[in-house]
Amino acid sequence: DGGITQSPKYLFRKEGQNVTLSCEQNLNHDAMYWYRQDPGQGLRLIYYSQIVNDFQKGDIAEGYSVSREKKESFPLTVTSAQKNPTAFYLCASSSTSGRINEQFFGPGTRLTVL
Amino acid sequence: GENVEQHPSTLSVQEGDSAVIKCTYSDSASNYFPWYKQELGKRPQLIIDIRSNVGEKKDQRIAVTLNKTAKHFSLHITETQPEDSAVYFCAASKGGGSNYKLTFGKGTLLTVNP
Repeated sequence: DGGITQSPKYLFRKEGQNVTLSCEQNLNHDAMYWYRQDPGQGLRLIYYSQIVNDFQKGDIAEGYSVSREKKESFPLTVTSAQKNPTAFYLCASSSTSGRINEQFFGPGTRLTVL
Repeated sequence: GENVEQHPSTLSVQEGDSAVIKCTYSDSASNYFPWYKQELGKRPQLIIDIRSNVGEKKDQRIAVTLNKTAKHFSLHITETQPEDSAVYFCAASKGGGSNYKLTFGKGTLLTVNP
């Protein structure tokens, strides 16, 4: 379970505010991912990064932004342009060497827009 | 892009019975198929995975089968126990090279009744 941390665990935001979710890993993984989880919707990919200073949009990137300035960190900003931001956000990381693709997940951040 | 369908969305079994969850995928280039278990309020954790060069893999009470021709794979849990109650997600990935991202199914809520 260790190796990936997310903070905060719970986050409350007023409408119109941007908010940044933290994700840190010490697994020396090159790839990192952000997912959004809503009831009955599974895990939907927001953004992913396979190397420092590079990232790609996932399936639901609108209203979100990311940065990857360090290998260990992949923060996600939920902007005021995201229409329905209340959800459970999960960060994950994986190795890109060899054929191993297992993604390790952080504990998640539950974001609630008031 | 890849599309993963998962059925059923909910499954209720009696303790000791078997449970089967099925997934289909659309991209014939996918070659890595993991299954994750997520307990309420917790992070998803990998329970078993299979690669396209094998048809079946077992780990104690859990097994996964893959039919590449039909593009479907299944999770089998035998002798279910109450602690097996959770949401289970299947996923698919092309793996290797620059294709590390996973596409998830929408999940199956498994309830094991004592």
